[in-house]
Amino acid sequence: SQTIHQWPATLVQPVGSPLSLECTVEGTSNPNLYWYRQAAGRGLQLLFYSIGIDQISSEVPQNLSASRPQDRQFILSSKKLLLSDSGFYLCAWSLAWSPQSNSPLHFGNGTRLTVT
Amino acid sequence: AQSVAQPEDQVNVAEGNPLTVKCTYSVSGNPYLFWYVQYPNRGLQFLLKYITGDNLVKGSYGFEAEFNKSQTSFHLKKPSALVSDSALYFCAVRGSGSARQLTFGSGTQLTVLP
Repeated sequence: SQTIHQWPATLVQPVGSPLSLECTVEGTSNPNLYWYRQAAGRGLQLLFYSIGIDQISSEVPQNLSASRPQDRQFILSSKKLLLSDSGFYLCAWSLAWSPQSNSPLHFGNGTRLTVT
Repeated sequence: AQSVAQPEDQVNVAEGNPLTVKCTYSVSGNPYLFWYVQYPNRGLQFLLKYITGDNLVKGSYGFEAEFNKSQTSFHLKKPSALVSDSALYFCAVRGSGSARQLTFGSGTQLTVLP
């Protein structure tokens, strides 16, 4: 069966410091991978998605970047954190995408980031 | 453009009573509809989906959802609520002819009272 691992679970970082959040998927090949941010325990904002190694699409211009150095590894980064980067970050995967894909997303347990 | 509306921020129901969490959508083409549940400080868990076929879809934990094309709705239901069903519920949609990603609703907090 497929599993998704996301770490760390919580993180407190000062403003201006760098960020690296990691997500890995097991039990499937060539998944689509996603980074979401959830603010105030509600709305989900898609940040990045990837359909393959080094293929990253950014949905919202911001202080963050994403990379996919391996098929099942997805990394969210920042060079200098802002206070507004605080939030709950969720990684997700789905089966390989097509315009008609009906594959659901499967989420990790998230990282609670607090920028102080 | 595709969109999802969850008109209720909060739904309260007594344990043992039926529950309904409402969702309406707007997409181009036929809709692919999903329900997810989120417990505190956890990721979203997939509950069920509607792609085509029977309008009543059954999912995990006794939940079901009814697709109504004329009303563009996909309400989540359960015949008898449990206290452990208390969580945040999200509806999501993608159009079958769309290359866009899933669009999520704003979420509905369900509280089941003992």
